[in-house]
Amino acid sequence: QVQLQESGPGLVKPSETLSLTCTVSGGSISSYFWSWIRQPPGKGLEWIGYIYYNGSTNYNPSLKSRVTMSLATSRNQFSLKLTSVTAADTAVYYCAREGPYGDKLDYWGQGTLVTVSS
Amino acid sequence: DIQMTQSPSSLSASVGDRVTITCRASQSIGRYLNWYQQKPGKAPKLLIYAASSLQSGVPSRFSGSGSGTDFTLTISSLQPEDFATYYCQQSYNTPESFGQGTKLEIK
Repeated sequence: QVQLQESGPGLVKPSETLSLTCTVSGGSISSYFWSWIRQPPGKGLEWIGYIYYNGSTNYNPSLKSRVTMSLATSRNQFSLKLTSVTAADTAVYYCAREGPYGDKLDYWGQGTLVTVSS
Repeated sequence: DIQMTQSPSSLSASVGDRVTITCRASQSIGRYLNWYQQKPGKAPKLLIYAASSLQSGVPSRFSGSGSGTDFTLTISSLQPEDFATYYCQQSYNTPESFGQGTKLEIK
């Protein structure tokens, strides 16, 4: 059974960089697409982007200038960096696996709340 | 970008009821439509993929249909554990996008 677990600071100051890591267990990261999705408190879901196992990326244009995703294959991890954060970036951040054709989010982490505040 | 619109935004129903939620895409997405269930404080859970395929382990009372721009999620007989928020998602192209959600509440 594939499991994903997000980790990282729960509080980030405005203008700083949000950094999260997702650790995958029960399966190899060396295939599939690996995604980040966020959900502001009380609101809906927003797709941030994904990184393919070969390192290619696809980001939401609304965040593209501030987002970087990377892989750490030897540790079975992938990561998200979001720069120049504001209060609008306060959200629960989820990592998830996209199915082999990048067509469905079939495994999700439990989510981690990141608050942007001074 | 493709916009996904769900209706209704909220719905009250009773255990045993048949419930249908609708999702409309702003352009044709073929059958690249998924449905998720989210309970408070939990991650979304995949229910239906490719418009009508039931994800492994999901009860058969859940079903999906549609293609192109119009899709439905049907729960044939509501159970107490089904009261949650439901989201549709298009994976036809990027940026992938979700509907705004339908909150299903107990009447």
